[in-house]
Amino acid sequence: TQLLEQSPQFLSIQEGENLTVYCNSSSVFSSLQWYRQEPGEGPVLLVTVVTGGEVKKLKRLTFQFGDARKDSSLHITAAQPGDTGLYLCAGGSPGQNFVFGPGTRLSVLP
Amino acid sequence: DTEVTQTPKHLVMGMTNKKSLKCEQHMGHRAMYWYKQKAKKPPELMFVYSYEKLSINESVPSRFSPECPNSSLLNLHLHALQPEDSALYLCASSLYRGSDANQPQHFGDGTRLSIL
Repeated sequence: TQLLEQSPQFLSIQEGENLTVYCNSSSVFSSLQWYRQEPGEGPVLLVTVVTGGEVKKLKRLTFQFGDARKDSSLHITAAQPGDTGLYLCAGGSPGQNFVFGPGTRLSVLP
Repeated sequence: DTEVTQTPKHLVMGMTNKKSLKCEQHMGHRAMYWYKQKAKKPPELMFVYSYEKLSINESVPSRFSPECPNSSLLNLHLHALQPEDSALYLCASSLYRGSDANQPQHFGDGTRLSIL
């Protein structure tokens, strides 16, 4: 069974600061996805990364997939209170069930 | 707004009740999923339907009974639930079942279930 770990578990920062959260595994994934979940809502897909070394940008969010496709990072520039939420990475490979990491709970204070 | 619609948003039921959760998507997706999410935890996979057939049951107790009447609808029938079954139940869909690239799952906002 493939497992995903995320760090840090919790992160509380001031508005305007930069941050990076990590998603790691000992297994190779064919793709990884990042979701953000706000209280009372379902996870919302932010991005899918497929190719080792791939970098994708979504406004102030930068996603990177590791060269070996075992890890990924999410960097947020100039965080805003609206970025507050639970950030989940998830991934899968052929023959394996889709798995979620435990999440990073981000709080951006005004 | 999510493209996966779940009803009801909230449900309170006794342990002897029978109720159903409903999920609907009109994106032409052929894979649909039920997840259970406890507070401060990630979603846990319960069931996967692929082309209206049950393809994965993650050892879920029989008091949860899924049903996929057609490619757009997914139900979860509940009977004789326990207090520990209280959780957020999420439905998701993807173009088809697989762990390959470009198969992102689209989630509904969930049904928050409380068992008294």
